[in-house]
Amino acid sequence: DVQMTQSPSYLAASPGESVSISCKASKSINTYLAWYQEKPGKTNKLLIYSGSTLQSGTPSRFSGSGSGTDFTLTIRSLEPEDFAVYYCQQHNEYPHTFGAGTKLELK
Amino acid sequence: EVQLVESGGGLVQPGRSLKLSCVASGFTFSNYGMNWIRQAPGKGLEWVAYISSGSSYIYYAETVKGRFTISRDNAKNTLYLQMTSLRSEDTALYYCAIGSSSYFYWGQGVMVTVSS
Repeated sequence: DVQMTQSPSYLAASPGESVSISCKASKSINTYLAWYQEKPGKTNKLLIYSGSTLQSGTPSRFSGSGSGTDFTLTIRSLEPEDFAVYYCQQHNEYPHTFGAGTKLELK
Repeated sequence: EVQLVESGGGLVQPGRSLKLSCVASGFTFSNYGMNWIRQAPGKGLEWVAYISSGSSYIYYAETVKGRFTISRDNAKNTLYLQMTSLRSEDTALYYCAIGSSSYFYWGQGVMVTVSS
């Protein structure tokens, strides 16, 4: 199985700042990586797929980059609603696997 | 509006069975592959099973293969997960989600607790 290593596990930031979350795959997954946002009381939201393609409705302050084994989710100019848990997921092969998550907290 | 509503969860003893359902609305269910994904308390997400739109392709995580069965009824817009020989480690919030690669809509989830 492809192991997905996400870092950091926790990240504290303030509104207006920019943050980056890393996701590393144990082998090449081409660009088949998705990013999700998890918030209490809401359904999980797909933000980005295929490494860098924004899902419809995802604000442009979110961006994804990378290919092969190394990927990054960047959120520019954080808004209050961005404080949440973020997961990466590879969709290159079955079983699809997720990173352990990054909790983005308000500093 | 796309909606996925899971049901059928609850408390069950180890070794027993349970069947989850996910009723879909707001999109053409028969056109999309569907998944079950779970999250154990305090843990991350684990993909469990996938079924293609016409049920031709089915995949399972190794942790559930041989014990869980995914199925769908396109006439009823409903996805199922039959779970047998349940173990304590199957305790989790179970989500249904749409998609054959990434998962572009998720349900709210249904809790399954396996305990004596």
